[in-house]
Amino acid sequence: GAGVSQSPRYKVTKRGQDVALRCDPISGHVSLYWYRQALGQGPEFLTYFNYEAQQDKSGLPNDRFSAERPEGSISTLTIQRTEQRDSAMYRCASSSQLFGGTSGYTDTQYFGPGTRLTVL
Amino acid sequence: AQRVTQPEKLLSVFKGAPVELKCNYSYSGSPELFWYVQYSRQRLQLLLRHISRESIKGFTADLNKGETSFHLKKPFAQEEDSAMYYCALSESQGGSEKLVFGKGTKLTVNP
Repeated sequence: GAGVSQSPRYKVTKRGQDVALRCDPISGHVSLYWYRQALGQGPEFLTYFNYEAQQDKSGLPNDRFSAERPEGSISTLTIQRTEQRDSAMYRCASSSQLFGGTSGYTDTQYFGPGTRLTVL
Repeated sequence: AQRVTQPEKLLSVFKGAPVELKCNYSYSGSPELFWYVQYSRQRLQLLLRHISRESIKGFTADLNKGETSFHLKKPFAQEEDSAMYYCALSESQGGSEKLVFGKGTKLTVNP
């Protein structure tokens, strides 16, 4: 089946503009995660959803960042009034189970190709 | 705070040589550790996890709680192993399965 998809793959915007990044998880996957990866760094957690409920947004750097998943499938990460420091790769991942599931262990997260955001 | 450290940013070996990518972590609870890999022009994907105790593509990793390490090893490196490798820790807080990643190690296997 199809994997996690993200769009756009590349986004160049001017400082001060708003951007919306989309993530389409694997069909049926319950959990959806957003990560940000700056150059030379590992992915850094931003937020995650179980179904449509945002469970943890502790990684969102400030109130310019928001995310939603209104129908429990596709998710949008929105950055308002972009700044140059927002330039990074934004990665989405999905997993099939709620925490623990039946195994008691963390389920595998499947990543999308990422969106490369450049703020000029 | 939970932290994952990969001390080597770059690692270069020759084909057929053993390779070890180091990973150390700090975590107060009982961790789940993972290795993710990103090959050129591909997406980030799970290589292996400590609970499965499998060998994937010839790679193994053993969780050493005493040394808080989860080093990735392969006895005979192949050119196709060249990639970016990330060690990650699962941070479970009230159901969150967010991953904490290290900065990554770029492995180059030379012919």
